[in-house]
Amino acid sequence: GNSVTQMEGPVTLSEEAFLTINCTYTATGYPSLFWYVQYPGEGLQLLLKATKADDKGSNKGFEATYRKETTSFHLEKGSVQVSDSAVYFCALRSNSGYALNFGKGTSLLVTP
Amino acid sequence: DAGVIQSPRHEVTEMGQEVTLRCKPISGHNSLFWYRQTMMRGLELLIYFNNNVPIDDSGMPEDRFSAKMPNASFSTLKIQPSEPRDSAVYFCASSFLSGTSDEQFFGPGTRLTVL
Repeated sequence: GNSVTQMEGPVTLSEEAFLTINCTYTATGYPSLFWYVQYPGEGLQLLLKATKADDKGSNKGFEATYRKETTSFHLEKGSVQVSDSAVYFCALRSNSGYALNFGKGTSLLVTP
Repeated sequence: DAGVIQSPRHEVTEMGQEVTLRCKPISGHNSLFWYRQTMMRGLELLIYFNNNVPIDDSGMPEDRFSAKMPNASFSTLKIQPSEPRDSAVYFCASSFLSGTSDEQFFGPGTRLTVL
């Protein structure tokens, strides 16, 4: 079946550091890939998405590239801010349905 | 737009009691999803509806769980009887699913504690 594996947290970084959160997936066919972010006490929000191989999703300085050869969709940001502290979820949607399969989430804490 | 509305935000109940969680999706959306979030299992899809019809309920843990969507603007998730292992945050999400759109919008969640 479909599944998503992402690096375990928590990840602690200093402000302006470079961020990478790894995500790999298992799926048949050509899934769509997503990153969602959850701020404390809130529901998940879509951060970015990519729907086909080599697509790059980007938003708010975050970006991720759909790599079919390595079945990966790693999230990166060049310079994190304290306000980026949140839990980040990688997810996929297969091309045969609408449900999302989520990874377990990676907690990010950015300190001043 | 008010976004997805869930109630209650917090629920504390005793084992064996019936619990009903409520969700109002974003107006115009045609799909609704119920998820459960726990530390151990992460975020799990319980059930989703398209045009008020349940499409996939394979994630519903057992017969104690039931979900309904009587109309396009309201859904309930019921647990009867509740057990301590049902303690979790339950999220509702809605979406307008089309060939080019699939973003899910999440509500703030209901934190359920079963004593």
